[in-house]
Amino acid sequence: QSVLTQPPSVSAAPGQKVTISCSGSSSNIGSNYVSWYRQLPGAAPKLLIYDNDKRPPGTPDRFSGSRSGTSATLGITGLQIGDEAHYYCGTWDTLSAVFGGGTKLTVL
Amino acid sequence: EVQLLESGGDLVQPGGSLRLSCVASGFTFSSYAMNWVRQAPGKGLEWVSGISGSGGHTFYADFVKGRFSLSRDNSKSTLSLQMNSLRAEDTALYYCVKDLRFGVFDHWGQGILVTVSS
Repeated sequence: QSVLTQPPSVSAAPGQKVTISCSGSSSNIGSNYVSWYRQLPGAAPKLLIYDNDKRPPGTPDRFSGSRSGTSATLGITGLQIGDEAHYYCGTWDTLSAVFGGGTKLTVL
Repeated sequence: EVQLLESGGDLVQPGGSLRLSCVASGFTFSSYAMNWVRQAPGKGLEWVSGISGSGGHTFYADFVKGRFSLSRDNSKSTLSLQMNSLRAEDTALYYCVKDLRFGVFDHWGQGILVTVSS
């Protein structure tokens, strides 16, 4: 049981937009920045979004992040086949880092 | 280019010990906190432990407190995780992870497999 709650799966067609939610509490998302990570099949996770909505170098502007209260959202526009992956939200909670359970994105 | 190279993974019996190492390059090691994050087969990410850049502060997930010990040698750009009293549920791919700052994991190693089984 993960501290942060994500939908197990989402799907959309190529070119479409998808959002992935991440729900937490006042001790984690409610008081700390949220990051998002993408894990392609067989690869290590990669930082996609940090500080709720900032993109590190290399993250396309098709990816966006937002936070409101105790929830965060990752948005992906112009979906590509190569976006098929697991996506994880993460943040800090008291004295430990926490992750969501992960969301598998399928591009139909 | 940041590189994180893990080593030390192995098959170990329940109750046994193992020491994981991570050699870092491509950045000023002592300036950044470092972490271990694990992923059990077919499961999600689970933070294990973190240590400040100076090594003066360490943090552990509840499920490893008292069993795992994290340390670093800044002169050798090396991170080490001593794992004792290993359990079957510790079986996972262990990633060495660099902090951008606390809680933001900007570079990940390729991972090293730890299998705990009799």
